[in-house]
Amino acid sequence: DAEITQSPRHKITETGRQVTLACHQTWNHNNMFWYRQDLGHGLRLIHYSYGVHDTNKGEVSDGYSVSRSNTEDLPLTLESAASSQTSVYFCASSGGSGRPDTQYFGPGTRLTVL
Amino acid sequence: AQTVTQSQPEMSVQEAETVTLSCTYDTSESDYYLFWYKQPPSRQMILVIRQEAYKQQNATENRFSVNFQKAAKSFSLKISDSQLGDAAMYFCAYTSYTGTASKLTFGTGTRLQVTL
Repeated sequence: DAEITQSPRHKITETGRQVTLACHQTWNHNNMFWYRQDLGHGLRLIHYSYGVHDTNKGEVSDGYSVSRSNTEDLPLTLESAASSQTSVYFCASSGGSGRPDTQYFGPGTRLTVL
Repeated sequence: AQTVTQSQPEMSVQEAETVTLSCTYDTSESDYYLFWYKQPPSRQMILVIRQEAYKQQNATENRFSVNFQKAAKSFSLKISDSQLGDAAMYFCAYTSYTGTASKLTFGTGTRLQVTL
């Protein structure tokens, strides 16, 4: 069955370190998204990609970057981790059929920045 | 910009009873989808139900149904015959097609407690 996976599931790091969160999907979806989830804010969009070599900023993109070198993967990098980036991170993908479509989510990564 | 509002931070329902979770949204688009996602303690985001704005008929999925009022921009979720496994955070979400692909806007969530 097609799926979307994230790794690691839990990560503890120190302030100032570079961190990369992996996202891999086997749906063959064109579109991939990264969200962060914080209490009182629901899920907020960090970055998204509509295809290989395409990346776009979401509403909370400062301090994060992504790159898309193939269809299956969209890694999220925190260039210099800050305590404010402690959160749960979700990756999602969708088919992009030319109409509004449904996003499917990975299991999430809990990141703690000390 | 589109916004999604869930005004009920917490709700409680007794097992086997019915509960309705509220959601309102604001948009100037005519073609969009609305979703309810469930997030149990495992953190997994699970799609519960989807409603296409162009469809007048309310979506249903087994014990889950929606009341979609397009003019009022209201999208409530009704859970019938509530079960202990329904206890979770429920998020209302909106997406429209922007010419390339869709981005989701989420509400802040409603925590549903199911009691015996």
